[in-house]
Amino acid sequence: DAKTTQPTSMDCAEGRAANLPCNHSTISGNEYVYWYRQIHSQGPQYIIHGLKNNETNEMASLIITEDRKSSTLILPHATLRDTAVYYCIVRVAKETSGSRLTFGEGTQLTVNP
Amino acid sequence: DAGVTQSPTHLIKTRGQQVTLRCSPKSGHDTVSWYQQALGQGPQFIFQYYEEEERQRGNFPDRFSGHQFPNYSSELNVNALLLGDSALYLCASRRQGRDYGYTFGSGTRLTVV
Repeated sequence: DAKTTQPTSMDCAEGRAANLPCNHSTISGNEYVYWYRQIHSQGPQYIIHGLKNNETNEMASLIITEDRKSSTLILPHATLRDTAVYYCIVRVAKETSGSRLTFGEGTQLTVNP
Repeated sequence: DAGVTQSPTHLIKTRGQQVTLRCSPKSGHDTVSWYQQALGQGPQFIFQYYEEEERQRGNFPDRFSGHQFPNYSSELNVNALLLGDSALYLCASRRQGRDYGYTFGSGTRLTVV
């Protein structure tokens, strides 16, 4: 699985958009970008994933650059409850890859009132 | 619909002892993975179980073993506990064939003294 690089920490004002970057310059053509977050004292929570097209769901939007070497997770209207560690994970999405998720250290997002 | 349930939530053991942690997967899920998360780090993959067999294993010693039961629930056993085994142990489940959206439990906090 390709390695990812994320900033250690970020701050965001409540109600504003939070844009979390992730670099994955060694990503392969068949690798997806996944985002999970972990709120303090809880297990990680799946947010969104994508291959090359931008994706949006009820939680967030995922913007992947055309060369796929980086991506941005966007929380459009951050709330205090979005304060968490956000993990960007790159992996092949097929059964033969097993269920292993390789977590880095993630980005600690703090949403301030 | 209950998500992933782990027990106990907290546990204190003495060095050299053995411990068993339990996990009930989300309804409809048949694949269970275990992760170890040391303080301030991302979760590290221990192993995955499907159809009552270990399918994939991370870089953990044989002191870490597991089991999956016919009802898909799982146990993680750690023998000869070391101080360094103190961590949050997370269980994640998914349905085989659905490669995204792993559901994590809130974990068991193990302290070895």
